[in-house]
Formats: sequence, structure tokens, C-alpha cells
Amino acid sequence: SQQGEEDPQALSIQEGENATMNCSYKTSINNLQWYRQNSGRGLVHLILIRSNEREKHSGRLRVTLDTSKKSSSLLITASRAADTASYFCATPPSGGSYIPTFGRGTSLIVHP
Amino acid sequence: KAGVTQTPRYLIKTRGQQVTLSCSPISGHRSVSWYQQTPGQGLQFLFEYFSETQRNKGNFPGRFSGRQFSNSRSEMNVSTLELGDSALYLCASSPVGDTEAFFGQGTRLTVV
Repeated sequence: SQQGEEDPQALSIQEGENATMNCSYKTSINNLQWYRQNSGRGLVHLILIRSNEREKHSGRLRVTLDTSKKSSSLLITASRAADTASYFCATPPSGGSYIPTFGRGTSLIVHP
Repeated sequence: KAGVTQTPRYLIKTRGQQVTLSCSPISGHRSVSWYQQTPGQGLQFLFEYFSETQRNKGNFPGRFSGRQFSNSRSEMNVSTLELGDSALYLCASSPVGDTEAFFGQGTRLTVV
């Protein structure tokens, strides 16, 4: 079963708007990572947030983490057509071997 | 620094055959993970190798195997191919495993 699940599965917005994606996970974690995948290609790491952090920024990206709710959100501000991609959260569980698991992703389409 | 290199990029095989995929991680990275990505199942973890030892294994049949060499390069092998093995196979490397992972562009395997 998936450790992390993204929501929504698909998101369609206009250029300039903000896009928010959510991720829920099941077990305790050391960190949570967000990745982007352009159609049929490898994943690109966007940002890593540790379990003792609540919010992190990187350029137009803002990630929050709520360990009490086992959830995270990724906000992309002022979206561009080039942001069109699938976005995944990855959660390597703490306390054991590293088994990075990904959700099914959110497919984001940004219309120019 | 060169990125993660996967070869070949595309492969077409016949049902019943076997296939070997190769992954060269980023220099200095000791952890190599393999994933299978299909539209229906999303990104599924296959296995992780660290310093030539399989450290973690996903829930795949024994037809899927892998190994890692002393230079950290890794191969995965799928024997007795089935139509359902058609997928994008992604390799990722990281320095120790519980940090940001760097992905290759993947090998697109089609089984006919």
C-alpha cells in the first residue's frame, strides 16, 4: 500500500494562479520530500522538510508539514506553464530501514 | 558532476524473455534504489542497494532481481517477462539513502 497519498489527483489552473497540493502519510517520518516529474521522465527533487520543521520555502515553493495530522502541503505561487508536471510526495519512514515510498501524484496543468 | 545515467532508454522485449537494465549513480553515492512506474500502480519501490548489499526490497516477485557492483553501479534483471512488466523503470541514487534522491531518466520497457 502507498505510504503517501497526494490530493487532488488532478489540478488545472491558469498561469499566474497558485496551486496547492496535499499529501497524507501513515507512519512516523524523519522527513518528507516533494518531487516533480515531467511527462515520462525522471523525478526531480524539489524540497525536503524535516519532521521538526513546520514550514519551508524555496523560490515560488512553500511546503508545510503537520506531523500531528500526518499531512503536508505544497504551494506553488504565481504558477507558470512550465510548472505543468506531476508532483509526488515521498516519505521515508523513521526508525527503520530507508524505504522511500511515493504517492500516486498530483497531475498539475497550468494553462498559459 | 554527472547525473544518474540509465541505459538503455528504451527497450522492446517479447514475453518470456529476460532483460537487464543498468544504472550508474552519481559519483560518491552509495545508495541505489529502483522503482517501477505504471499508470495503474504509480511508483512502486523495487529494491535498494547500499555498498553492494540489498538493504530493502519491495513487494515484487522473484523474477525481479538486482545487484550492485563495487563502483556502486547497479543492474536490475527481470526474467520470464510478462506483458504487465511494461513500465518505466527508474533508478535513483543518494549519498546514504535517507536524503534527497537523484533520479535517472528511466528505461521504458515494453513487453509484447
